[in-house]
Amino acid sequence: DTGVSQDPRHKITKRGQNVTFRCDPISEHNRLYWYRQTLGQGPEFLTYFQNEAQLEKSRLLSDRFSAERPKGSFSTLEIQRTEQGDSAMYLCASSLFTGGMNEQFFGPGTRLTVL
Amino acid sequence: AQSVTQLGSHVSVSEGALVLLRCNYSSSVPPYLFWYVQYPNQGLQLLLKYTSAATLVKGINGFEAEFKKSETSFHLTKPSAHMSDAAEYFCAVKPGAAGNKLTFGGGTRVLVKP
Repeated sequence: DTGVSQDPRHKITKRGQNVTFRCDPISEHNRLYWYRQTLGQGPEFLTYFQNEAQLEKSRLLSDRFSAERPKGSFSTLEIQRTEQGDSAMYLCASSLFTGGMNEQFFGPGTRLTVL
Repeated sequence: AQSVTQLGSHVSVSEGALVLLRCNYSSSVPPYLFWYVQYPNQGLQLLLKYTSAATLVKGINGFEAEFKKSETSFHLTKPSAHMSDAAEYFCAVKPGAAGNKLTFGGGTRVLVKP
């Protein structure tokens, strides 16, 4: 399968714990995006990378959230001291930016439940 | 800044009937517009996209959408609903070709009755 993959697919944690999610983009894609989708809502942009550089972060991304893409390939999203309000689906997408269409392809998501 | 409004969070249609999902957008620059479908516990799949070429866009699974600049709309239609069309549909906008983030509407859940 050459699509975007995310791991784990589901994560249940207790309030106050740290969690880390991984995203593997389509191999030749240079841009990688993270979105958050709460129940009954559309996805909301969190951050994006071009290669290893984090170029934009949403105000939704509080200090407890950190994302990395150390070698310009896979990315991790860490949430420290989780809160119940962090419960959501975390979606990763990737695209090949060459100045043109820049179509984003989405992974299956990681569903986080904070108890 | 961009925003998307989807009218109707739930739509119920009979199998074989017309599906019409409404999307209105706001964009400070010429927009690129998208419709995505999401099945339960899955990610988003692109149905179709408008990129400033033809205003009537055809997508997968028999869906199409028409870009109307004067109405700032990009409504999604399918002439004949199938049971497999039951899913949630999201309209999204991006500020032009090189724009980065997608801004999504709140989604419309489609129920198909036999």
